[in-house]
Amino acid sequence: SAVISQKPSRDICQRGTSLTIQCQVDSQVTMMFWYRQQPGQSLTLIATANQGSEATYESGFVIDKFPISRPNLTFSTLTVSNMSPEDSSIYLCSVEDDPGQGGEQYFGPGTRLTVT
Amino acid sequence: KNQVEQSPQSLIILEGKNCTLQCNYTVSPFSNLRWYKQDTGRGPVSLTIMTFSENTKSNGRYTATLDADTKQSSLHITASQLSDSASYICVVSLQPSGGSYIPTFGRGTSLIVHP
Repeated sequence: SAVISQKPSRDICQRGTSLTIQCQVDSQVTMMFWYRQQPGQSLTLIATANQGSEATYESGFVIDKFPISRPNLTFSTLTVSNMSPEDSSIYLCSVEDDPGQGGEQYFGPGTRLTVT
Repeated sequence: KNQVEQSPQSLIILEGKNCTLQCNYTVSPFSNLRWYKQDTGRGPVSLTIMTFSENTKSNGRYTATLDADTKQSSLHITASQLSDSASYICVVSLQPSGGSYIPTFGRGTSLIVHP
């Protein structure tokens, strides 16, 4: 199993500013996943972060808007840039036991972002 | 398009009662189906995982069933408790030929248990 922590747990930000969300895992993992959960919607994968290489973004998400860092095997950050009210959402970090093999998936507690 | 549909969208029951949540999917080729519980302000936590060959899986008062022929799953909660109030999310994983598993998430069912 994996225990994941995120910072901050919540924030209220003004439009046009940026927020960096931190994700810490209690074990070394090769892949870390960032999800967005908008109100009343399903979880949507933003990108997959691999240590030592650039993140892989899903359709509809771009690096300029959501830059990701992965400096080591236990830590990652997601930045939400030039925020607008449409970015108000819960952002979740996730890891898997066997990435891409359908194993158990673990989620952090999420960061609740409100953009005014 | 691969989809996961959950019903009902929300449900209110009295403490001690049973309830059943539904999940229909069109994901193909199907790999596995998972049910998660998400408390308010928390990330999803896994309740059950079922592969194609399994048709039932229990975790305490939670029992999940799977009918791969009709592409339906249900999550049955027995003798509900106040702590069962949460969102329950169905996740179906697609395994494309030669590729990695790709999870598709439902929107969840919001369950409220009243005393």
